[in-house]
Amino acid sequence: GQQLNQSPQSMFIQEGEDVSMNCTSSSIFNTWLWYKQDPGEGPVLLIALYKAGELTSNGRLTAQFGITRKDSFLNISASIPSDVGIYFCAGQLTGSARQLTFGSGTQLTVLP
Amino acid sequence: DADVTQTPRNRITKTGKRIMLECSQTKGHDRMYWYRQDPGLGLRLIYYSFDVKDINKGEISDGYSVSRQAQAKFSLSLESAIPNQTALYFCATSGPGPRGNQDEQYFGPGTRLTVT
Repeated sequence: GQQLNQSPQSMFIQEGEDVSMNCTSSSIFNTWLWYKQDPGEGPVLLIALYKAGELTSNGRLTAQFGITRKDSFLNISASIPSDVGIYFCAGQLTGSARQLTFGSGTQLTVLP
Repeated sequence: DADVTQTPRNRITKTGKRIMLECSQTKGHDRMYWYRQDPGLGLRLIYYSFDVKDINKGEISDGYSVSRQAQAKFSLSLESAIPNQTALYFCATSGPGPRGNQDEQYFGPGTRLTVT
């Protein structure tokens, strides 16, 4: 099956710094989604990307769908304490299955 | 009120016991999913359902069963729980995103299950 490699596995950054994380795949996806999970909660959708090359922003978050359709990155600018959490990428194929394949997550810690 | 709810939120059970985890949604979505989350492994799909009459196995369905009682309800059962089923379990629903074809999945708050 498809595999997603998400990196880095964890990050420790100072408040105010920018953050970048990415996912790569051995397979082509038609949609890339980025989720954030807070402790004790379910993942919350941050950004959805539907088209190769697409660059989409949501506040301080920016994500891009790679041209090859095998990768995506998420940037967070000017990090704040509430950015702490686990960030997951997920790839989706079109067609009847519509299943998501998830990366293993990036644990982000923001230091004051 | 939350769009996707799960009960119970926490459960401790013994090996060999049967347990059911329940999920309800008010989003009006046809598609529903059950995932399992283990540390360092991300989320893995157990079962999914595209409507009340359509149930499909996911990546790791062995040891689990599901029931889609209504459009809004999708339950996950462990017929005979074993310790390596200790994990976080998430229900999700999906519906069309703003561009039509592609789905966006929305997750419940999770159930923490411990099998002793």
